[in-house]
Amino acid sequence: GAGVSQSPSNKVTEKGKDVELRCDPISGHTALYWYRQSLGQGLEFLIYFQGNSAPDKSGLPSDRFSAERTGGSVSTLTIQRTQQEDSAVYLCASSPGSHYGYTFGSGTRLTVV
Amino acid sequence: KNEVEQSPQNLTAQEGEFITINCSYSVGISALHWLQQHPGGGIVSLFMLSSGKKKHGRLIATINIQEKHSSLHITASHPRDSAVYICAVISGEGAQKLVFGQGTRLTINP
Repeated sequence: GAGVSQSPSNKVTEKGKDVELRCDPISGHTALYWYRQSLGQGLEFLIYFQGNSAPDKSGLPSDRFSAERTGGSVSTLTIQRTQQEDSAVYLCASSPGSHYGYTFGSGTRLTVV
Repeated sequence: KNEVEQSPQNLTAQEGEFITINCSYSVGISALHWLQQHPGGGIVSLFMLSSGKKKHGRLIATINIQEKHSSLHITASHPRDSAVYICAVISGEGAQKLVFGQGTRLTINP
């Protein structure tokens, strides 16, 4: 597609439920990133995929968070047993490689009630 | 202390003024990004720098690797430039994740 597509754009879920957030990167972009922006906070790194290499999961805040990238394209971020502190905007970005700029998606606003 | 510090945190100016936003970082980097985030909007990548200076329209970004400092300038500012501007660095070769500054909220009044 022309840009990075994220779905859903908004998600309200009950505490304790699992959620899946989807990112469809720009075709051909080998690098894919997930970031999180909590209300009133800055951006924080969650996870990074590069081609077929093992992902860099060093930013995932707990073992309730996981992500996968199938076929080197679409990525899904899963949050199990959601907590209120998980409420944030989850942003996906893709890039042709490490020496190129990023294209960000519009984000998924997650609200845990 | 954050690895990436921006100043000012908030900036209000009149239309037409020359704007400077500063970014200092404390780690070795392979690249620095300037990002723009409009209220309620997504993030747009403005520049990626590893040395020198880049210009795009009314926006200019400079970086001084020795001083670990970058600046974003906006000439002839306009209300539509109102946004949060975020500096982010990739720290060192082999690292790929961005480390973000807290952002500078810019408001340009007509």
